Amino acid sequence: KQEVTQIPAALSVPEGENLVLNCSFTDSAIYNLQWFRQDPGKGLTSLLLIQSSQREQTSGRLNASLDKSSGRSTLYIAASQPGDSATYLCAVDAYSGANSKLTFGKGITLSVRP
Amino acid sequence: DTAVSQTPKYLVTQMGNDKSIKCEQNLGHDTMYWYKQDSKKFLKIMFSYNNKELIINETVPNRFSPKSPDKAHLNLHINSLELGDSAVYFCASSHGRIPNQPQHFGDGTRLSIL
Repeated sequence: KQEVTQIPAALSVPEGENLVLNCSFTDSAIYNLQWFRQDPGKGLTSLLLIQSSQREQTSGRLNASLDKSSGRSTLYIAASQPGDSATYLCAVDAYSGANSKLTFGKGITLSVRP
Repeated sequence: DTAVSQTPKYLVTQMGNDKSIKCEQNLGHDTMYWYKQDSKKFLKIMFSYNNKELIINETVPNRFSPKSPDKAHLNLHINSLELGDSAVYFCASSHGRIPNQPQHFGDGTRLSIL
């Protein structure tokens, strides 16, 4: 059974700091790994998707890496801003396409202090 | 334009009642999902449908019955509501025919059982 772990549960950093959010998963048989952002009272917004054959993906100040063999992913946020404050969830997809089945971690709640 | 919309946003009701949550997406996706996020913020898949066909049914009580009248809609009916059903229910959608596509989420329906 796939388990996804995100530690710590919460993180507080000063504005401008570069930071790394960690995600680990127990079963390396995945199609992709996805990072989402959730703002309070809102749904999830997809940030980055890394296919199992890829090592990393970048979007603006965000960079996500994937080491499938060791069951780890990191989300790197450069020059953090107060607007980055949110909960960041990692999810792995055991299948793909119409059979997609995401298993989520519990998320890391990030607070960026001005 | 709202991509994935859920109604109602809030639902407060008595134990034992029957209620429905509706979901619609205008993204042209053919796969839709229902997730439950519990009080500890843990997000878990309940059901998925592809072109109106049930694909995933995770060990969810029979009191929960999804219905997909067409591929743009996926509704969730809950019979005999229990206190433990209190949670946020999220609808999501994705392209089922294209692998490694991110899921798009609605803003959630906050269900509170009195």
